[in-house]
Amino acid sequence: ETGVTQTPRHLVMGMTNKKSLKCEQHLGHNAMYWYKQSAKKPLELMFVYSLEERVENNSVPSRFSPECPNSSHLFLHLHTLQPEDSALYLCASSQDRAPGEEQYFGPGTRLTVT
Amino acid sequence: GQNIDQPTEMTATEGAIVQINCTYQTSGFNGLFWYQQHAGEAPTFLSYNVLDGLEEKGRFSSFLSRSKGYSYLLLKELQMKDSASYLCAPDNYGQNFVFGPGTRLSVLP
Repeated sequence: ETGVTQTPRHLVMGMTNKKSLKCEQHLGHNAMYWYKQSAKKPLELMFVYSLEERVENNSVPSRFSPECPNSSHLFLHLHTLQPEDSALYLCASSQDRAPGEEQYFGPGTRLTVT
Repeated sequence: GQNIDQPTEMTATEGAIVQINCTYQTSGFNGLFWYQQHAGEAPTFLSYNVLDGLEEKGRFSSFLSRSKGYSYLLLKELQMKDSASYLCAPDNYGQNFVFGPGTRLSVLP
C-alpha cells in the first residue's frame, strides 16, 4: 500500500463523453502530480500542484483539465478525448516540490478511448 | 531542455549481475533517481544519488558521475521478481521532473 489511491482503475469512454479521474493521498504531502504513460513511451509529466496551486502545465491539451480542491485530492477531468489519449494515467505525490523528494505513485487508471 | 538515454531492453539470467546505464543532459541537476516499475503497476522508488560514486543498498547499487552525466543501476544476485522496467530521472532541483524512457529487464531461469 503506497498511500496513494486512484479511481477508477479502468475506464472506457467514448470521444464525446465527460469523465473524471480521482486521486487521493493519505501521506500528508504538499505536492501532487499527474502523469501519462503510453505504450512504448516515457512517463510524461502532465500537471504539478504544490500546496493546491498549479505550478506546471507541460503543454497539455485543454481536453484535460486538472483540479486540486485540497492537498489530499487531485482530479483530472476529461472531455472530448481522442483515441490516442488511451494510456495509463498515474497520480503521484511528494512531501514537497523540492530537490531529492521521492514521489509515491498510485496504481493508475487504465483509460481506453473508443 | 533535457535529454535522457537508457537501453530499451536487457536480458539476464537468474543469479547473475546486470548493469543498467543512464546518460543525461539537463539544464539543472541536483541528483538522480532510479525507480522500478513492474508491468501494469506503479513505479516505486529505488535510490537517489547526489554525490559521485557508488551507493549500495542490499542487492541494488547505484552509481553517479556528475561530470560525465552518467549513472548506472547495478543489480546483483538477480531474481525472477527483478523482471521489471527501470527508470532513471535526473532531478532538476524538484522542478521540470522528467523520466527516462526506461529499460525493460527480463530475468530468465
